[in-house]
Amino acid sequence: EVQLLDSGGGLVQPGGSLRLSCAASGFTFSRDAMSWVRQAPGKGLEWVSSLSAGGGSSYYADSVKGRFTISRDNSKNTLYLQMNRLRAEDTAVYYCAKVGVWLPAYFEYWGQGTLVTVSS
Amino acid sequence: EIVLTQSPGTLSLSPGERATLSCRASQSVSSNYLAWYQQKPGQAPRLLIYGVSSRATGIPDRFSGSGSGTDFTLTISGLEPEDFAVYYCQQYGRSPETFGQGTKLEIK
Repeated sequence: EVQLLDSGGGLVQPGGSLRLSCAASGFTFSRDAMSWVRQAPGKGLEWVSSLSAGGGSSYYADSVKGRFTISRDNSKNTLYLQMNRLRAEDTAVYYCAKVGVWLPAYFEYWGQGTLVTVSS
Repeated sequence: EIVLTQSPGTLSLSPGERATLSCRASQSVSSNYLAWYQQKPGQAPRLLIYGVSSRATGIPDRFSGSGSGTDFTLTISGLEPEDFAVYYCQQYGRSPETFGQGTKLEIK
């Protein structure tokens, strides 16, 4: 059974940083591209970033380009999202997702999400 | 980027009825790369349909997708109580991947 466990969310001040993690199990993590998708409170879904299986190719939404960095450690079956220079509009639940096809992607399995709140 | 517009915003139906949800794209979705997701309150989205009409693993056959080009439909035949949720379409034919704003399916 595919399982994705998101963690690392919390309250952070504008301009601050946070690193999200996604622990994967139930599939061969090193063979699959992965993504982050976010959802602001009461709003719809927004793709944030995707990373190839080997980690060599990464893609970002314009809204986070230059501030967020996606990475992975295939030896630990873990996906990361480093978020810097956070803004109030980055407040959202962040979901990691296993990609169905690549590239662009649809999202075959989702983590439970982790809430990031950017506020002073 | 491709903008997806879903209609109606809210759909009120009774269990056993048929639901028809629409998703219209601002430009043609290449290779019919369109997916549908279901989201219940407090839960992550769940993939229902990909490639316009292919059901994801474990999805009951009362869920079906159709359409091409710019107009797509998700049909749920014989609504079950657990089907009342928010539904999103998503295109992956062109980067960036984009989602519709959602249709809320509520119990009448």
